[in-house]
Amino acid sequence: RKEVEQDPGPFNVPEGATVAFNCTYSNSASQSFFWYRQDCRKEPKLLMSVYSSGNEDGRFTAQLNRASQYISLLIRDSKLSDSATYLCVVNIHFGNEKLTFGTGTRLTIIP
Amino acid sequence: NAGVTQTPKFQVLKTGQSMTLQCAQDMNHEYMSWYRQDPGMGLRLIHYSVGAGITDQGEVPNGYNVSRSTTEDFPLRLLSAAPSQTSVYFCATLRLAGTYEQFFGPGTRLTVL
Repeated sequence: RKEVEQDPGPFNVPEGATVAFNCTYSNSASQSFFWYRQDCRKEPKLLMSVYSSGNEDGRFTAQLNRASQYISLLIRDSKLSDSATYLCVVNIHFGNEKLTFGTGTRLTIIP
Repeated sequence: NAGVTQTPKFQVLKTGQSMTLQCAQDMNHEYMSWYRQDPGMGLRLIHYSVGAGITDQGEVPNGYNVSRSTTEDFPLRLLSAAPSQTSVYFCATLRLAGTYEQFFGPGTRLTVL
């Protein structure tokens, strides 16, 4: 089983719709969680960290479910500019960092 | 601030050639790492460094060497290029506080013929 798994998609979603992705992780010792965004042929950039209590940043909501070992990302009122690949990242150690990336979920927003 | 810079942006090598991918940062981050990204494989860690003079292997270190003589620079050396090393290479730094955000360079697209 992969350490971090994501549905690769593609998700083709009409503009204005709500879309959600999940990401599962296998190591219960995982300590911190992130969503990164990667545009085509560009480097990944941090979208948001995922906190235990869940967190929201504008149209984006991230949640963590430790019992089921998954994190989620919800995008409301999707915009054309949201088209990108979304990478789930899990950090297993602090002090000796081991960040593991999922393969990414590709999202295309359709006008 | 330039952030994380990588050179070259593109490179074509023949099998057996060696080369060095350059990475530099001006954010004074102690932690730096090299990843390769292949279709369907996600980002895989090649080598990382927690500070000047300290390096360690990641998930896929074979065929690559690194050194860290300064905080700013973290070059990746391909010893004898193979077609399996055709990939996009990203250098990244990690802020070891607050958000623990990784900052990536723009990448080097390497093709080995």
